[in-house]
Order: sequence, then C-alpha cells, then structure tokens
Amino acid sequence: KNEVEQSPQNLTAQEGEFITINCSYSVGISALHWLQQHPGGGIVSLFMLSSGKKKHGRLIATINIQEKHSSLHITASHPRDSAVYICAVRSWIQGAQKLVFGQGTRLTINP
Amino acid sequence: DVKVTQSSRYLVKRTGEKVFLECVQDMDHENMFWYRQDPGLGLRLIYFSYDVKMKEKGDIPEGYSVSREKKERFSLILESASTNQTSMYLCASSLAARVVGYTFGSGTRLTVV
Repeated sequence: KNEVEQSPQNLTAQEGEFITINCSYSVGISALHWLQQHPGGGIVSLFMLSSGKKKHGRLIATINIQEKHSSLHITASHPRDSAVYICAVRSWIQGAQKLVFGQGTRLTINP
Repeated sequence: DVKVTQSSRYLVKRTGEKVFLECVQDMDHENMFWYRQDPGLGLRLIYFSYDVKMKEKGDIPEGYSVSREKKERFSLILESASTNQTSMYLCASSLAARVVGYTFGSGTRLTVV
C-alpha cells in the first residue's frame, strides 16, 4: 500500500462543476502539499497545509490531521484547470525533510 | 522571482552514454532533490542533498549518481544510460529548517534510445 493515496486517479467533468480530489496518508507529517502539473512537465506548488483550510481564488484545500486526510476543491471549474494534481506529504526521513508523493489525479475539464 | 532551473527540457541519448542533468537554484536553499516521474508510479526520489558535498540515496538510486560541489548546483549523473532510464526528471529545492514550500524545476524529459 502506498503511503500517500489519491482518489480518483482520473476525473473528467464539465466546465462549471465543483471538483473534489482526495488524499489520504499513513505516515507522520509536518506538512501536506498540493501541486499542479500541466502538460509539459513543470510543477507548481498550490498549497502547503499543516492544519485547517486554505483558499486561493477558486481553489480550496483542507486537511484533517486526526483522520490523515486532505481534500482539494475547485469551484466553478474551467478548462484551464485541466492538469495533474499531486498530493505530497512532508516527512522527516534520513535526517532531512522529504516529500512522499501520491500518484496524482488527472483532471480534464471539458468546455 | 525565485527559480529552480534545469538545463535541458528535452534530451535524447544513446544507450551506454554518460548523461549529466544539471539543476541550479538561486534561493540559497540547503536541500536539493532529484526525482523521476513515470506514468502510474508518480514521482520517486532518486537522490537528495542537504548540504554542499553531502548526498543521500533516495528510493531508487541504482544507476544514478549525484554531485553537489556548490550550494546552488545539484547534478544528476547517469553513468551508462539505459532505456529503462527514459523518464521525466524533476529537480526541487527547499530550505532546511523552515516549513516552507518546495520549488520545482520545469523538468527534463530524457529519452534513451
């Protein structure tokens, strides 16, 4: 079993729909990251969370430390939101803070 | 704007060649990381470094080595490239002690033929 599990692996929706991507983890963490990767490869950090909730524009990220679960929500989705969304947890491993990644959720928003 | 720069976006190399992937960051970060990303497997850590001349193996170090002679530069070396090393390679950096976000490079897509 992976230490970080994301669901769903693939998600297709119509423009305007409310999107939820889930992330569960099994290791102790100091923070959780949500990352976005567009075709072409570059990764952009969307959020870093250690508790509660953060909002940036149409994106909302929440984390429940007790349940070891985080969600990324997109309101009023748009085709430009199409990307791979990656959950990663920051954990102390071998004396350094390292990221452990989920496998990613490929989101496609159709016009 | 802070940056992690990877020297090449696309590379095509022949089996057996020695390949150097370069990563430079301008943020004075202590930690630097090399990942590879493959479909269905996500990002996997190859090597990381938490200081100049220091290096630690990640989850999949076999077939790779690294060099960190200067704080801002972290090089990934494929001593003898093989076709199973065809992948997207991503470099990242972070500050050592503070809880701040990672910064990723834009990736190098390496094809070994």
